[in-house]
Amino acid sequence: SQKIEQNSEALNIQEGKTATLTCNYTNYSPAYLQWYRQDPGRGPVFLLLIRENEKEKRKERLKVTFDTTLKQSLFHITASQPADSATSLCALEYSSASKIIFGSGTRLSIRP
Amino acid sequence: GAVVSQHPSRVICKSGTSVKIECRSLDFQATTMFWYRQFPKQSLMLMATSNEGSKATYEQGVEKDKFLINHASLTLSTLTVTSAHPEDSSFYICSARRGPQGETEAFFGQGTRLTVV
Repeated sequence: SQKIEQNSEALNIQEGKTATLTCNYTNYSPAYLQWYRQDPGRGPVFLLLIRENEKEKRKERLKVTFDTTLKQSLFHITASQPADSATSLCALEYSSASKIIFGSGTRLSIRP
Repeated sequence: GAVVSQHPSRVICKSGTSVKIECRSLDFQATTMFWYRQFPKQSLMLMATSNEGSKATYEQGVEKDKFLINHASLTLSTLTVTSAHPEDSSFYICSARRGPQGETEAFFGQGTRLTVV
């Protein structure tokens, strides 16, 4: 069965630095890969979507890469701020189904 | 962005009773809604996909007779946890999509914290 691994349970970095989070998956590549943030006790909030035929996508301080050879996506937050602290979730969607499958998440903490 | 409202945000019920959770898309029509559950410090686990006007599609291992899903209109889906037990205590989250698969992000409700005592 398909597995999604976010190999860091937690990531702590200094404010102003770049946070890099990793998402790896097994088997076949999804048609779409998404990143969400989730605050405690709240539902996830969409950040970025990247398609299978795209290698990189940017939005303000956020950048996502998608390497189908490595079966990996990297999520970068540049000039990180304490407000970026949240659980970052990687999510995959396959063209054969409309459901979105989530990874285990990485708790990101940005210290002032 | 689009708004998905989930109600109630918290509910405590006695073991053996049923609880209904509502999920509404406030400013768009959602042909498909999804229900997830999340245990502490774990990720979201998809329970079922709810399609307006048809039966929900449940994920493997999810009891459809225990978790009743109704998607009666393009803006409302409900999840009823029947004969709830303490092990059903969890954080339940719904999401809805505005467009076809893959073209738009999913919008999530704020979640419902269910505690069965």
